[in-house]
Amino acid sequence: GAGVSQTPSNKVTEKGKYVELRCDPISGHTALYWYRQSLGQGPEFLIYFQGTGAADDSGLPNDRFFAVRPEGSVSTLKIQRTERGDSAVYLCASSETGGELFFGEGSRLTVL
Amino acid sequence: GNSVTQMEGPVTLSEEAFLTINCTYTATGYPSLFWYVQYPGEGLQLLLKATKADDKGSNKGFEATYRKETTSFHLEKGSVQVSDSAVYFCALSVSGATNKLIFGTGTLLAVQP
Repeated sequence: GAGVSQTPSNKVTEKGKYVELRCDPISGHTALYWYRQSLGQGPEFLIYFQGTGAADDSGLPNDRFFAVRPEGSVSTLKIQRTERGDSAVYLCASSETGGELFFGEGSRLTVL
Repeated sequence: GNSVTQMEGPVTLSEEAFLTINCTYTATGYPSLFWYVQYPGEGLQLLLKATKADDKGSNKGFEATYRKETTSFHLEKGSVQVSDSAVYFCALSVSGATNKLIFGTGTLLAVQP
């Protein structure tokens, strides 16, 4: 489809494991965002890419979280040594520069 | 800092009832304001927006007016339908360079036939 695609849609892992979440933005969108939505809360900003570079990573909670976008299209959010508190829905959004954000359906992460 | 406060849900209404979901904000500078909607099983979608004071955003029968004097952006609809059942998020953006959105906690609306 033409929308933002996120995989996997669901991920269950054990505490301490490493996790990667993938986002395929809308073709041609230069801006890409990651958000985290905990149960009963609104989405919280994690990181923003303009092209290949992370223009704003002020929302990453700690150094266990890292994201890349090596070719300016697909992005991967990487979480090391997962903790139970990392359980949430991770949302990706893309846009043209300065334009409306289009969100994917999210990746639900459960850390046991 | 920048933040959004919206009324807690759930809000339960009968079909054709009038809807108001309150939203107030705190921001430095001149924010743009948004309402997003999340239907069951779907991703967040932009419902409407307003970029400056006194602007009214509207879409699908929903309206919200940017009130700088009361720092509010309340969502209204004159006659709700069952298909409007969803979670509604108020949000703001203060950085034109990044378009980074700050969201409220969301309000669940349940419309009963």
